[in-house]
Amino acid sequence: GDSVTQMEGPVTLSEEAFLTINCTYTATGYPSLFWYVQYPGEGLQLLLKATKADDKGSNKGFEATYRKETTSFHLEKGSVQVSDSAVYFCALTEGNNDMRFGAGTRLTVKP
Amino acid sequence: GAVVSQHPSWVICKSGTSVKIECRSLDFQATTMFWYRQFPKQSLMLMATSNEGSKATYEQGVEKDKFLINHASLTLSTLTVTSAHPEDSSFYICSARLLAGGKDTQYFGPGTRLTVL
Repeated sequence: GDSVTQMEGPVTLSEEAFLTINCTYTATGYPSLFWYVQYPGEGLQLLLKATKADDKGSNKGFEATYRKETTSFHLEKGSVQVSDSAVYFCALTEGNNDMRFGAGTRLTVKP
Repeated sequence: GAVVSQHPSWVICKSGTSVKIECRSLDFQATTMFWYRQFPKQSLMLMATSNEGSKATYEQGVEKDKFLINHASLTLSTLTVTSAHPEDSSFYICSARLLAGGKDTQYFGPGTRLTVL
């Protein structure tokens, strides 16, 4: 079945550092790919998404490119801030199926 | 934008009691809603898919008699945790699926934190 594997955390960075959180997927067809963010004590929020190969999703300085050849959707940000501290989930959905999530990566950004 | 609400946002109950959690799509109709459970520092785990007017589809390992799901209308799905025990303490999140304009999007509720004493 469809699945998502993402980089294990936790990840601790200094402010203004470059962030990469790896995400790879397994799917039978052509899924839509998502990154969700969960701030402490809150529910999930959609961060960005891409629905087809080579699409780049971007939001709040975060980017991820749908790479079909490597079945990846890595999340990147050039300069993280303390306020980016959260748990990030990679996810996919395919057709009429439900959403499958990765395990989540906890990011802590220190001043 | 589309909004999904959950009620209550948190609940504390005694062991052996039942707790009902509501998930509402406030400004759109959702034929499909999903219920997730999140353990501390872990990912969401899909519990069941709730379809309006029909029985829910449960994921393997989820007890359907313990986690009762009712999707009585296009804007409301309920999850009832029956005879709750401390191990049921968790963060429960619902999502509602919106199909519009050729797009298929899920919107998540804010979650309900259940603590069973």
